[in-house]
Amino acid sequence: QVQLQESGPGLVKPSETLSLTCTVSGYSISSGYHWVWIRQPPGKGLEWIGTVDHRDSTYYNPSLVSRVTISVDTSKNQFSLKLNSVTAADTAVYYCARILGGDLLNPFDVWGPGTMVAVSS
Amino acid sequence: DVQMTQSPSSVSASVGDRVTITCRASQGISSWLAWYQQKPGKAPKLLIYAASNLQSGVPSRFSGSGSGTLFTLTIDSLQPEDFATYYCQQSNSFPFTFGPGTKVEIK
Repeated sequence: QVQLQESGPGLVKPSETLSLTCTVSGYSISSGYHWVWIRQPPGKGLEWIGTVDHRDSTYYNPSLVSRVTISVDTSKNQFSLKLNSVTAADTAVYYCARILGGDLLNPFDVWGPGTMVAVSS
Repeated sequence: DVQMTQSPSSVSASVGDRVTITCRASQGISSWLAWYQQKPGKAPKLLIYAASNLQSGVPSRFSGSGSGTLFTLTIDSLQPEDFATYYCQQSNSFPFTFGPGTKVEIK
């Protein structure tokens, strides 16, 4: 059974870089699938941040592309998110998830529990 | 970007009721539409993919229909565990976008 778990600092200062890691268990990332980051500001809706595949090919939300990097570390069976120059608007619960099946355009069938990141000095 | 809207934004219903939620896309998305259920403090859960396909393990009282720009999620015989917020999401084109959510509350 595939499980995902986000980890990283819960508090980031404005203008600094938010860094999160998603550890995958029960499946080897190097075997395939696509992996995503999604966020949800408190009391608000869901926003897709970006997608990465096992070959480190990436697709980003244009609204964040100038500040975001998603990468895969197959040796650790993890993928990561870096978001630089953060502001209070980046305060959110951040989720990692897997895309269903082998099609990049499929929805997200396995999710991590989410991790809250607050941006504050 | 494809804008997704949902109606109603909230609905009050009783156990045993049928509930229908509508999702509209600002442009045609074929059948690249998914529905998620989210309970407070939890990650979303995939219910329906490709507009009408039931995700494995999801009760058959959930069903989806539609294509193009108009989609519906129907919950037949609402159960206590179904009170939650429901989101639609399109994956026809980048950036993937979600609807604003519909909260199903207890009447």
